[in-house]
Amino acid sequence: DTAVSQTPKYLVTQMGNDKSIKCEQNLGHDTMYWYKQDSKKFLKIMFSYNNKELIINETVPNRFSPKSPDKAHLNLHINSLELGDSAVYFCASRRESGELFFGEGSRLTVL
Amino acid sequence: DAKTTQPTSMDCAEGRAANLPCNHSTISGNEYVYWYRQIHSQGPQYIIHGLKNNETNEMASLIITEDRKSSTLILPHATLRDTAVYYCIVRVEDFGNEKLTFGTGTRLTIIP
Repeated sequence: DTAVSQTPKYLVTQMGNDKSIKCEQNLGHDTMYWYKQDSKKFLKIMFSYNNKELIINETVPNRFSPKSPDKAHLNLHINSLELGDSAVYFCASRRESGELFFGEGSRLTVL
Repeated sequence: DAKTTQPTSMDCAEGRAANLPCNHSTISGNEYVYWYRQIHSQGPQYIIHGLKNNETNEMASLIITEDRKSSTLILPHATLRDTAVYYCIVRVEDFGNEKLTFGTGTRLTIIP
């Protein structure tokens, strides 16, 4: 079983659309994250949730809205997509001892 | 979190030990050193972490200098599958309010 799974893996959409990326972890961790990796390969944290509660919001535009229905899921909804939103989005969960486990990424392309 | 400095790229022959250096001269006493790697198009993968003592696991060894201002990740017998970008990160354990900040890393290429 995949520890951290994201869907979809690939997403191609038009500017102005709204889309969601889902993430699930079966590791029993309390803390989950969303990271964005742009075309220059920089990995930047966007959000973290601990047991369904928002902990970190790294000055991400409010078009991005994370939702955590339970501690095993952290979904990312993006409204009014822009060209600059094109990137690979990684979900991760955190073990108590500190290690992060990442999903395989969701590549979003905005046309 | 303390800033880290890593070489942009390195090559290593297959079967040899790959030694990846990291400088973190402004590290504070409660900051851990973490290493992750990212193989092309995949999610980052945790390798190892430590505070003061040297650490070893099934993937690698981590050597931290006594003054903690630098560290070296050692892959003892590099294989082609170890070709990846390796990130050295230092961070404080701050449960529930912490973030892992990735730098530019070292692009390690294993040469057949």
